[in-house]
Amino acid sequence: DQQVKQNSPSLSVQEGRISILNCDYTNSMFDYFLWYKKYPAEGPTFLISISSIKDKNEDGRFTVFLNKSAKHLSLHIVPSQPGDSAVYFCAARIGGADGLTFGKGTHLIIQP
Amino acid sequence: EPEVTQTPSHQVTQMGQEVILRCVPISNHLYFYWYRQILGQKVEFLVSFYNNEISEKSEIFDDQFSVERPDGSNFTLKIRSTKLEDSAMYFCASRLAQYTQYFGPGTRLTVL
Repeated sequence: DQQVKQNSPSLSVQEGRISILNCDYTNSMFDYFLWYKKYPAEGPTFLISISSIKDKNEDGRFTVFLNKSAKHLSLHIVPSQPGDSAVYFCAARIGGADGLTFGKGTHLIIQP
Repeated sequence: EPEVTQTPSHQVTQMGQEVILRCVPISNHLYFYWYRQILGQKVEFLVSFYNNEISEKSEIFDDQFSVERPDGSNFTLKIRSTKLEDSAMYFCASRLAQYTQYFGPGTRLTVL
């Protein structure tokens, strides 16, 4: 039952370049999407979110794009920095519900 | 910056024992959550709590689990009779009115 899928377990990007993390979902009832970043032995840290009525949201180096017709969202990090090395989780909320559904995560490694 | 705190950071218990995991949500937040992450798997929603009652729970949250907000600051998860498969990281989260949930650092529960 993978309603939120992150198909790349890991991604390696050179420092200063763009990191693009992808997430696909299957449930049309999702109306709000979030990206979290997680370091080992810490809890998920909120990065950025987007409502299903929008197709883009930007916050500093982070931009999330939502393509509802494709049921796809992506997180862009520009420029990538060493401190960005972490596991990134895509999460989604069903309208009217409260619990978040998470993807399995993508481990981003920023190479110097 | 206010944050969610959790104690203990690591709890070791014998199978069949009761454990209580504690959380202090962000002080003005209204909605409280428990999630768990079994090693190597995705973060899974357990339960949400609002206005002193459970607002939503997942299939995982069976009769072995209970939650309580015993005072104005703490939020607890009790597992009545722990099983080996309850070994996981348990994350508490909270939010105000908007949908973004803020997570604590987690409690690692090890059941022997």
